[in-house]
Amino acid sequence: AQSVAQPEDQVNVAEGNPLTVKCTYSVSGNPYLFWYVQYPNRGLQFLLKYITGDNLVKGSYGFEAEFNKSQTSFHLKKPSALVSDSALYFCAVRDLGYGGSQGNLIFGKGTKLSVKP
Amino acid sequence: DAGVIQSPRHEVTEMGQEVTLRCKPISGHDYLFWYRQTMMRGLELLIYFNNNVPIDDSGMPEDRFSAKMPNASFSTLKIQPSEPRDSAVYFCASSPYEARTEAFFGQGTRLTVV
Repeated sequence: AQSVAQPEDQVNVAEGNPLTVKCTYSVSGNPYLFWYVQYPNRGLQFLLKYITGDNLVKGSYGFEAEFNKSQTSFHLKKPSALVSDSALYFCAVRDLGYGGSQGNLIFGKGTKLSVKP
Repeated sequence: DAGVIQSPRHEVTEMGQEVTLRCKPISGHDYLFWYRQTMMRGLELLIYFNNNVPIDDSGMPEDRFSAKMPNASFSTLKIQPSEPRDSAVYFCASSPYEARTEAFFGQGTRLTVV
């Protein structure tokens, strides 16, 4: 079965420093991977995705993510954090299996990012 | 397109009452997902549909929960009877059939059962 793990409940970063939010996945076959962000009292917003091709994908608000097949990871990164980046971040994988679970979108438990001035 | 539309945004109800949450997906999308978010359990998938057909409802907590999708533009999540532990934010999301396309989320319904 497909799964996603976000090993950190919270990440604390000083403004201006680089940030990394970790995600590892378990899939059969090639993964379709996504990052979403949730600001307080809002729905989830799409940030970026990896489907195929270049292992470094760029997304909204200056975020990028690096796909590493050998380590089954898809870590979210930003070179210089802003206080406004403080939010809840979710990693997700799309189930490409056949039969009953095809199309399912499976989320990690989320990582709270706190950026201090 | 206005995006995924959920109603109501907030619902406060008494224990034992029936609650119905509504979702209008983005036009043309084939998949519709219902999620529940709580502090304790995070984001849980309750059920999802493909072309109006329920594919996986294994996340529905118990028989008090039911979901329907009578047509491509409307879905409901019903709780009957409601209990305080059902208090959560319920999200609806939709996506096209193509799996490489991201899902789009509604703003959520904050349900409080007192």
